[in-house]
This record gives sequence, structure tokens and C-alpha cells, in this order.
Amino acid sequence: DAGVTQSPTHLIKTRGQQVTLRCSPKSGHDTVSWYQQALGQGPQFIFQYYEEEERQRGNFPDRFSGHQFPNYSSELNVNALLLGDSALYLCASSYPRGQAWDSPLHFGNGTRLTVT
Amino acid sequence: DAKTTQPPSMDCAEGRAANLPCNHSTISGNEYVYWYRQIHSQGPQYIIHGLKNNETNEMASLIITEDRKSSTLILPHATLRDTAVYYCIGRFYGQNFVFGPGTRLSVLP
Repeated sequence: DAGVTQSPTHLIKTRGQQVTLRCSPKSGHDTVSWYQQALGQGPQFIFQYYEEEERQRGNFPDRFSGHQFPNYSSELNVNALLLGDSALYLCASSYPRGQAWDSPLHFGNGTRLTVT
Repeated sequence: DAKTTQPPSMDCAEGRAANLPCNHSTISGNEYVYWYRQIHSQGPQYIIHGLKNNETNEMASLIITEDRKSSTLILPHATLRDTAVYYCIGRFYGQNFVFGPGTRLSVLP
């Protein structure tokens, strides 16, 4: 049973460019959340997708956008990259809502984005 | 979500029990307490969660005080592989998980 998978594992981009990160949730999960983790800090919530719609959003600018596909996989897009966007981007998935309402998040190992 | 406070760092001798405290004095009756850990360069790993009762699984035990204002994560026989940052999170159903800075546990040989 595959866990949460993310691609690519590492990425280097230049300021002003755009980037797309991808995530496949754990089998049986339909809710996907994205987190940003700067060096030395805890993960910060970006947004959550369920039924192909953004359901919750953290304190991140509109440059950060996402998408969820019918197979529950998800993408995180960041436009107009800044040096401060350099971080580990984590995807997490969880069980369908209403079936296990205290179910934990299961995380992938992230995409390390470096903006130069 | 309840704000949690944890010590920034702790040491533990290999083979001994590691007891990681967490204060969540503002937690409400419907907020679960979750514990995660993050080993360097990996994503956070779920350990255990609970509401009122003590919980145990193959990884750890969770002891929640009767007033629910604090909890302790216990790793019964710490190994070098348990060296990680441990996060304690209080969460309502449906809300996102809010991570603090966590406790950096160093298991020493």
C-alpha cells in the first residue's frame, strides 16, 4: 500500500519563475493538504483540497494556488517565485470526511524547492 | 485550535524511556491531541492521538492528564533512530493541523 508520494524530490528555480509540485495521496484517502516548511521551523498550512475544491486556506498569498483531480491527486502551483519561497513543501492526505473524523494526516517526504 | 507549548530540546539515553511533555492548558473538550515526529529530511510521521483516555500503540504511549491541560508522549525504549523533532498538536475535527516548533529529542548512545 503506497503512502503519500510527491514529485519531484528536489527542484531549483530562479526568481520570478513558476513551479508546479505534484502529490498522490495514500490509497483510500480523498482529502489533500499542502504545507510549507522553512528551514528550522514547523510546517505551515497552505491549503486543503476536498472534492476538487479548495476548502481551507492558510495565510499565503494568491501566488500559491492548487488543484485536485478526480483521482484525488493534487498539484501546488507557485507563481512569481521569491527567494523566500525556498522551503520543503509537504503534501498530506487523510481519510474521507465523515468516516473517521479524528483521522490523522499522513505526510509525504516533500519536495525541496530552492529559489535562486 | 489549542495552543501547545513544548520544551525546545531534550536528551535521552539509548534504551531508556523518553518522556516528552506538552502543555495545552486552553484545549477544549472536543479537541484531540496528536503527536507527530519528523526525522531529518523526511515528512512528519504520525505517532499517536487521543482525546481523554490514555492511548498506546506499537510506537508509543500517550498519557493525558485528567483535566486535559497537558499530556506526555512516552517512547518506552528509545533508540538512536528515535532522534527527531516531536510535535504536539491540538485539533478540532475538520480544522487543519497547526504545527509549532516542537521538541528536538536527541537519543544519546
